[in-house]
Amino acid sequence: DTAVSQTPKYLVTQMGNDKSIKCEQNLGHDTMYWYKQDSKKFLKIMFSYNNKELIINETVPNRFSPKSPDKAHLNLHINSLELGDSAVYFCASSQVHPSYNEQFFGPGTRLTVL
Amino acid sequence: SQQGEEDPQALSIQEGENATMNCSYKTSINNLQWYRQNSGRGLVHLILIRSNEREKHSGRLRVTLDTSKKSSSLLITASRAADTASYFCANLKQSGGSYIPTFGRGTSLIVHP
Repeated sequence: DTAVSQTPKYLVTQMGNDKSIKCEQNLGHDTMYWYKQDSKKFLKIMFSYNNKELIINETVPNRFSPKSPDKAHLNLHINSLELGDSAVYFCASSQVHPSYNEQFFGPGTRLTVL
Repeated sequence: SQQGEEDPQALSIQEGENATMNCSYKTSINNLQWYRQNSGRGLVHLILIRSNEREKHSGRLRVTLDTSKKSSSLLITASRAADTASYFCANLKQSGGSYIPTFGRGTSLIVHP
């Protein structure tokens, strides 16, 4: 069974559209994260939630809105998509925050904004 | 420069050779972690070394940590073509009351069969 899953795997859309990416973990972890990986493979954290509470927001534009309906899910909604949003978005989870333990990553969602 | 810088950025070796990757960081750390990313996949945790440890082994992996130099190295011995991947180091950067997981840009390793 997949530990951290994301949908969709690929997302191609036009500038200005609104889209969502969903993430679920079945590991029983308390903390979940969203990362953005650019074309040069630089991985930067965007948000982190601990038990449905936002604990990290790394100066991400407010067009990005994470939502955690329960501690097993962390979704990412993006409004008014821009060309620069094209990247691979990874969801991750870890047992404790701060992440003294390893993070488990999802397979990624490749977002292409045309 | 970014917190958690790996070097070299790219490494190309023959199967059977050893591969060494280095990571430097700026702030004090609780632990440092190494991850592997195969092309088109998510990151997979390889090994965690705590700030009071100097060396750790896991199979063909050997990680060292020098907190005085704020650096770590990952050694893969007797490399295999299947080791071809990008390798990232990660640590926690304290920001206010939070700890921000911070990754480097990675070292792209190619192992030729």
